[in-house]
Amino acid sequence: EAGVAQSPRYKIIEKRQSVAFWCNPISGHATLYWYQQILGQGPKLLIQFQNNGVVDDSQLPKDRFSAERLKGVDSTLKIQPAKLEDSAVYLCASSLGAGHYGYTFGSGTRLTVV
Amino acid sequence: EDQVTQSPEALRLQEGESSSLNCSYTVSGLRGLFWYRQDPGKGPEFLFTLYSAGEEKEKERLKATLTKKESFLHITAPKPEDSATYLCAVQARYSSASKIIFGSGTRLSIRP
Repeated sequence: EAGVAQSPRYKIIEKRQSVAFWCNPISGHATLYWYQQILGQGPKLLIQFQNNGVVDDSQLPKDRFSAERLKGVDSTLKIQPAKLEDSAVYLCASSLGAGHYGYTFGSGTRLTVV
Repeated sequence: EDQVTQSPEALRLQEGESSSLNCSYTVSGLRGLFWYRQDPGKGPEFLFTLYSAGEEKEKERLKATLTKKESFLHITAPKPEDSATYLCAVQARYSSASKIIFGSGTRLSIRP
């Protein structure tokens, strides 16, 4: 079974620039999550999709972050404009349903904002 | 407010030296407690789910236990390949499936 694919693996941008991350979940997984992990901290949920609908985006900084999941498969997370404090690893995860089983993370995208 | 605290932040052991990692939690009704392993440059890898006090789960050299206020991850006779960051996470019963709160992790290093 292929895992959760994310790209790019690394990204360096200047503050106020925009950036986008892509995620392809495990085939058949209806639920997709984006997490932010700042160095030395645990992951923090940004947004959860069930198929192509948003279930929870209460911790997503909506003034600068946006996410979409077209056709209930791939997802894109965008930051515009980026701030220094956005430097983190952005992790995508997927699961079969909205319960905590088969919850698989990708390797993440490491973002550095300078 | 739901909260997860892990200790110690870092732990260095000699190969074969058993120890335990602690996860203290505060949550309004526990739906589940989870342990993950995270290697450098990789995403967390799911290890265990515990649902109620008294429950125990085992996998190779790892054993997770749960009480009403904390969970322990016991590592028996660890090997260098057990070196990683171990993350604890909780989900509250009242919340949607997405409300999973992670601790900051324990960085475990096993010396040969």
